[in-house]
Amino acid sequence: KAGVTQTPRYLIKTRGQQVTLSCSPISGHRSVSWYQQTPGQGLQFLFEYFSETQRNKGNFPGRFSGRQFSNSRSEMNVSTLELGDSALYLCASCRQGSQNEKLFFGSGTQLSVL
Amino acid sequence: LAKTTQPISMDSYEGQEVNITCSHNNIATNDYITWYQQFPSQGPRFIIQGYKTKVTNEVASLFIPADRKSSTLSLPRVSLSDTAVYYCLVGDDNQGGKLIFGQGTELSVKP
Repeated sequence: KAGVTQTPRYLIKTRGQQVTLSCSPISGHRSVSWYQQTPGQGLQFLFEYFSETQRNKGNFPGRFSGRQFSNSRSEMNVSTLELGDSALYLCASCRQGSQNEKLFFGSGTQLSVL
Repeated sequence: LAKTTQPISMDSYEGQEVNITCSHNNIATNDYITWYQQFPSQGPRFIIQGYKTKVTNEVASLFIPADRKSSTLSLPRVSLSDTAVYYCLVGDDNQGGKLIFGQGTELSVKP
């Protein structure tokens, strides 16, 4: 069974640009969530999607958005990039997103904003 | 108040048993305790989950005392490849699709 796949693995952008990251969950998983990891702030929850609907949202500005498609694949978008957006962006999936359910993470997309 | 408290870092040598303790004084009756492992530049990986007493799998053991106010992740005979950050999550920190990570414990295994 294939794991969670994130593309691209690395990305370099400049300030003011926008970026779209992609995540393919494990087959059969309907919940997809996104996380940002930086050395200073650690792992922070961005948002979670279930059946194409955003179900949970973290404390990030509106420049960060996402969506989920009918096949459970998800994308996240960051507009008007800032230097502080440089981070490892991780996607995770699970079947239902129930409490205590195990999450499966991808290897992430390393975004560098210059 | 922080939900969980873990040591920031630990050092060990290959072949030793490593025990990482997590304090969760305000754990609720229905809360489970979950541990994740993260290697550099990779996503976290689920290690083990438990509610009470002892849970063991092929990777680790989890010891939970009767009062459940703490838990100990035990890694038997660690190797260099066990060098990673270990996160303890409790209750609302583990809402399935939404995980709230603390700072974790950075374990360094030396030869």
